[in-house]
Amino acid sequence: QKEVEQDPGPLSVPEGAIVSLNCTYSNSAFQYFMWYRQYSRKGPELLMYTYSSGNKEDGRFTAQVDKSSKYISLFIRDSQPSDSATYLCAMSDLRTGANSKLTFGKGITLSVRP
Amino acid sequence: EPEVTQTPSHQVTQMGQEVILRCVPISNHLYFYWYRQILGQKVEFLVSFYNNEISEKSEIFDDQFSVERPDGSNFTLKIRSTKLEDSAMYFCASSPRTGGRNTEAFFGQGTRLTVV
Repeated sequence: QKEVEQDPGPLSVPEGAIVSLNCTYSNSAFQYFMWYRQYSRKGPELLMYTYSSGNKEDGRFTAQVDKSSKYISLFIRDSQPSDSATYLCAMSDLRTGANSKLTFGKGITLSVRP
Repeated sequence: EPEVTQTPSHQVTQMGQEVILRCVPISNHLYFYWYRQILGQKVEFLVSFYNNEISEKSEIFDDQFSVERPDGSNFTLKIRSTKLEDSAMYFCASSPRTGGRNTEAFFGQGTRLTVV
């Protein structure tokens, strides 16, 4: 079983739609969960960052973590053409006093049609 | 807004040659990383660096790879003898230390390495 699995996509939605992006993971030691947005041939840009279970909202974006189900989601409300990009989930098992690597999902390409 | 900067943006090299990829992390960050992304594949962790030493490395990061922080600002990745399969986008990242532990990583724009 892969450590992090992400819905393969691609995903195409009309402008204004609510978008739901999801990842599942197998490593119960993961505690930090991130969503990155990546435009073509650019570096990943951090969108949302959450620790442990719960919801976090930032403007049109909501990140949700359910550690009991090992499932994370990113919701985009009122989607815009500028949201068209590849979205990557990433997670880490940060240990106190040490840094830790990120494990990424494969990414899903979202296209928002005007 | 502070950002991670990488140079060059694109590097073409012949198989067997040495390459050095350069990064300037965000100035108050303490943790530094290299990741790579082969075209169409996942972003993969290579190595993390803290307090002037490697703290973790992946299986990909073999003896052909090395990292260095030669001064207070630069962070470099050296590939000693490049292979065709080293062709990828290489991303540098850095993260701060908040509340006694490091947190989110910020990525540079990447260096596209093409080995011919």
